Amino acid sequence: GAVVSQHPSWVICKSGTSVKIECRSLDFQATTMFWYRQFPKQSLMLMATSNEGSKATYEQGVEKDKFLINHASLTLSTLTVTSAHPEDSSFYICSAVSPGLAGVSYNEQFFGPGTRLTVL
Amino acid sequence: AQSVTQPDIHITVSEGASLELRCNYSYGATPYLFWYVQSPGQGLQLLLKYFSGDTLVQGIKGFEAEFKRSQSSFNLRKPSVHWSDAAEYFCAVGGSGTYKYIFGTGTRLKVLA
Repeated sequence: GAVVSQHPSWVICKSGTSVKIECRSLDFQATTMFWYRQFPKQSLMLMATSNEGSKATYEQGVEKDKFLINHASLTLSTLTVTSAHPEDSSFYICSAVSPGLAGVSYNEQFFGPGTRLTVL
Repeated sequence: AQSVTQPDIHITVSEGASLELRCNYSYGATPYLFWYVQSPGQGLQLLLKYFSGDTLVQGIKGFEAEFKRSQSSFNLRKPSVHWSDAAEYFCAVGGSGTYKYIFGTGTRLKVLA
């Protein structure tokens, strides 16, 4: 139980194009999802908090218009990198939280496997 | 300020040797503590977690961690390291009032044959 998937697992795109990354909770409903960015050999950096049916909350320094987040259902959140540039190349990881998930702590995040984005 | 410190950026041990990875935290509320492992190009795998109760926590792959409130520490240990344990290890802290985690900077483990 508590499985989170991401699609695609890797993507290569040209500079100036937009890329959408999906994060799905496969066997539970996620009221809250998080999006992280990880540079090589560095820790995870929280980009934004996504709550179902409401606007995402972005961390300081993260461009809202650049990284569009939509949490349209209790099992799906999407991150769209708009007008991507090489400096957006990174490893993007999502996580999901479900309060009341049986046998699980109220505050535990479940992580997806990550998406490697390369912008040429 | 809330923070997680992993003092060792790199650690190298010989296969079969014991291992201890350090994690110190600063958190204003009751902490929930986690250790994750990440292999190159992969996502995070939860090794173990502490919410309450017994301060010695057993995890997967033979890992354990001990919560010491007086020292604000949650160090990860393994009695005998295997070559497959080479990876990046992250300590994280959360709390009862929030879903957010604070991650440490990670410790990269190298295992010598």
